[in-house]
Amino acid sequence: EVVLTQSPDTLSLSPGERATLSCRASQDLRNYLTWYQQKPGQAPKLLIYDASNRAAGIPDRYIGSGSGTDFTLTISRLEPEDFAVYYCQQRSNRQITFGQGTRLEI
Amino acid sequence: QEQLVQSGGDLVKPGGSLRLSCVASGFSFSDYYMSWIRQAPGKGPEWISYITTSDLTAYADAVRGRFTVFRDNANNSLFLQMNSLGTDDTAMYYCARTWSSLDAFDIWGQGTFVTVSS
Repeated sequence: EVVLTQSPDTLSLSPGERATLSCRASQDLRNYLTWYQQKPGQAPKLLIYDASNRAAGIPDRYIGSGSGTDFTLTISRLEPEDFAVYYCQQRSNRQITFGQGTRLEI
Repeated sequence: QEQLVQSGGDLVKPGGSLRLSCVASGFSFSDYYMSWIRQAPGKGPEWISYITTSDLTAYADAVRGRFTVFRDNANNSLFLQMNSLGTDDTAMYYCARTWSSLDAFDIWGQGTFVTVSS
């Protein structure tokens, strides 16, 4: 099973700042890495797929990068609605795992 | 509007059974893989099962042999039959539309909570 380790666990920033979230995989994923955002009481929302492609309707301040085992989600200028929990997800050998999440707080 | 509406969550005793439902609307349900994903309180999501457009299924080790996923394309419905439930199965359960590559879950239900407790 591929283990995804996200860091940091919690990131405290202010609106207008830049956020950098990390996801490290225990095996080479090539570029098959997905990011989600989850707000309290809601289901996760798809943000980024294939490491760097934004899903439909996702603002361009969300930037995904990386390949292999190291991936990054950057939010270039934080808006109040960006404060949430972020998860990465992979599918390798048709087994799917998620990271433990990074909480982005004000 | 593409959406998934879930039902079936409840309080059940250890060793009991429960069936979850998920009804799709706004898209061609039969053309998509579908998955079940759960999330224990304060934890990250955990994929537990998917079903393909050809009714092939896959399960996570934690539920294999106890849970069964199936679909009714005529009624745009997805189901999760859960047997031999244990306290570790307590979680919010989500259904999700799934890309055939398994790269992403792009439409999620609202979730339904399952509590396993005596």
